[in-house]
Amino acid sequence: GDSVTQMEGPVTLSEEAFLTINCTYTATGYPSLFWYVQYPGEGLQLLLKATKADDKGSNKGFEATYRKETTSFHLEKGSVQVSDSAVYFCALSLTGANSKLTFGKGITLSVRP
Amino acid sequence: DAMVIQNPRYQVTQFGKPVTLSCSQTLNHNVMYWYQQKSSQAPKLLFHYYDKDFNNEADTPDNFQSRRPNTSFCFLDIRSPGLGDAAMYLCATKLQTSAYNEQFFGPGTRLTVL
Repeated sequence: GDSVTQMEGPVTLSEEAFLTINCTYTATGYPSLFWYVQYPGEGLQLLLKATKADDKGSNKGFEATYRKETTSFHLEKGSVQVSDSAVYFCALSLTGANSKLTFGKGITLSVRP
Repeated sequence: DAMVIQNPRYQVTQFGKPVTLSCSQTLNHNVMYWYQQKSSQAPKLLFHYYDKDFNNEADTPDNFQSRRPNTSFCFLDIRSPGLGDAAMYLCATKLQTSAYNEQFFGPGTRLTVL
């Protein structure tokens, strides 16, 4: 079945450090890929997305590139801020009337001043 | 702004006392989802509506039911809440014709069972 694997966490960084969160996937078809962010006590917010190979999703300084050859969608940010502290979920979805989101386990990022 | 709204944000109920959580959306999306999220875990899909068609996940307990009276509203009914049902409940919507297939989430309802 379809699955998403995220690197183990939690991750703690100092402000202005470089961030990489690894995400790889397995899918029977050609999925759309997403990064969602969840701040404490809130719902999930779509951070960025990509729908085909070599697409780069970007938002708020975060980027991820859809790599079909390595089945990966790693999240990067050049300089993290304290306000980036949250839980990050990588997810995929196939097309179709009853398609579903398949989530990774999520990773907690803490950024210290 | 178009959005997904969940009420209430916090709900406290007693063991075995039925409770209903509400979700509404102004996005005019035809698909609506209910997820359960426990601490430090990914959301778990309970069921979804594609228009009026109800789709239950195989491992969703019978204790959980849902209603979608119209496009804008969807309800989650927990018939006899147990202590293990304490969680964050997330509603999400999707426009089936979207090229990206992304889901839009509400802020969630935190359910406490006493």
